[in-house]
Amino acid sequence: DPKIIQKPKYLVAVTGSEKILICEQYLGHNAMYWYRQSAKKPLEFMFSYSYQKLMDNQTASSRFQPQSSKKNHLDLQITALKPDDSATYFCASSQDNWGQYFGPGTRLTVL
Amino acid sequence: QQKVQQSPESLIVPEGGMASLNCTFSDRNSQYFWWYRQHSGEGPKALMSIFSNGDKKEGRFTAHLNKASLHVSLHIKDSQPSDSALYFCAVAGGSNNRIFFGDGTQLVVKP
Repeated sequence: DPKIIQKPKYLVAVTGSEKILICEQYLGHNAMYWYRQSAKKPLEFMFSYSYQKLMDNQTASSRFQPQSSKKNHLDLQITALKPDDSATYFCASSQDNWGQYFGPGTRLTVL
Repeated sequence: QQKVQQSPESLIVPEGGMASLNCTFSDRNSQYFWWYRQHSGEGPKALMSIFSNGDKKEGRFTAHLNKASLHVSLHIKDSQPSDSALYFCAVAGGSNNRIFFGDGTQLVVKP
């Protein structure tokens, strides 16, 4: 059974559009994260949530907005997409700060 | 802010050889250390953790931690082509309550 589900696996968007990346975890963890991986930065931390509250935000741009509708969900809304946003986005979860479990990723391409 | 640096950036070893990966960190309060492995097209997966100074062995993998010298390493004995992957060092428990990842070492094991 998949422990972290990320949808979609692949996503192609046009510049200026808006997309939502979905993440659901079934590990019972209380903390969830988003990371971005590209050729420029192998694994770049973006956000962390604990008990559905934002704990840490290392993303400079307000175009990236995490959304937590349930305690095991942490979606990522990206607005005004740019080609530079092309990357693989990983969702992860952990119990407190104890070793993170990563999802399979969503590969985003912005044309 | 914690800095985690890995070396070398890339490493080629022959099948059956020993691979040694290094990681230095900057926050002396760091307490928890992990090695993650990422195969192409997948999310990073936790390989092993080490929390006390000294060596920890799990099969062909040995992690070594020296908190005084701010250094953690991973040694892979009898390397196999399936060990070819991107390896990340992760550090937590310092002054900032989150996990910091290094930029990774790309390991290639040649048959």
